Amino acid sequence: KAGVTQTPRYLIKTRGQQVTLSCSPISGHRSVSWYQQTPGQGLQFLFEYFSETQRNKGNFPGRFSGRQFSNSRSEMNVSTLELGDSALYLCASSLEGLLYGYTFGSGTRLTVV
Amino acid sequence: AQSVTQPDIHITVSEGASLELRCNYSYGATPYLFWYVQSPGQGLQLLLKYFSGDTLVQGIKGFEAEFKRSQSSFNLRKPSVHWSDAAEYFCAVGGESGGSYIPTFGRGTSLIVHP
Repeated sequence: KAGVTQTPRYLIKTRGQQVTLSCSPISGHRSVSWYQQTPGQGLQFLFEYFSETQRNKGNFPGRFSGRQFSNSRSEMNVSTLELGDSALYLCASSLEGLLYGYTFGSGTRLTVV
Repeated sequence: AQSVTQPDIHITVSEGASLELRCNYSYGATPYLFWYVQSPGQGLQLLLKYFSGDTLVQGIKGFEAEFKRSQSSFNLRKPSVHWSDAAEYFCAVGGESGGSYIPTFGRGTSLIVHP
């Protein structure tokens, strides 16, 4: 059974650019959540999608957005990148949500220069 | 608001020794509690979870955790640590939001294992 796949693994972007990260959940999982992980702030919840609808959103500015497709694959977009957006972005999938436990991908390491 | 505190940033143990990682939570109702492990360069892997019932929960890789409501704690234990257990450990508490349950993670405890 394939795990959660995140692409790309590494990205280097320039301040002001935008970036799109991709996440393919485990087959059959309908819930996809995104987290930002930094040494200073730890793991912070970005948003959760369930059956193509955003079900929950964390306290991040509107520059952070996402979507989910009918096959449950999800994308996360960050516009007008800032140096502080440098982080490991983790995607997690679940059958229905947290109560079933998340399966995390290996993450995308974004560096903004 | 829910919160999680992992008081120990780093823990060092010798291989074969017992391990206990501390986790204290704050949540207004019955919490949903989790422990995850993260190896370098990897995502998080679920070790175990507690929703209700028996307060001693068994997980993967020989780990267990005990829920103590009176102490608002959910400490992770392992009787004998292996070198491969060296990793970052995260405790999380889940609370309902908008019909879903969103976890709040602690800052993590880094486990160092000496041979």
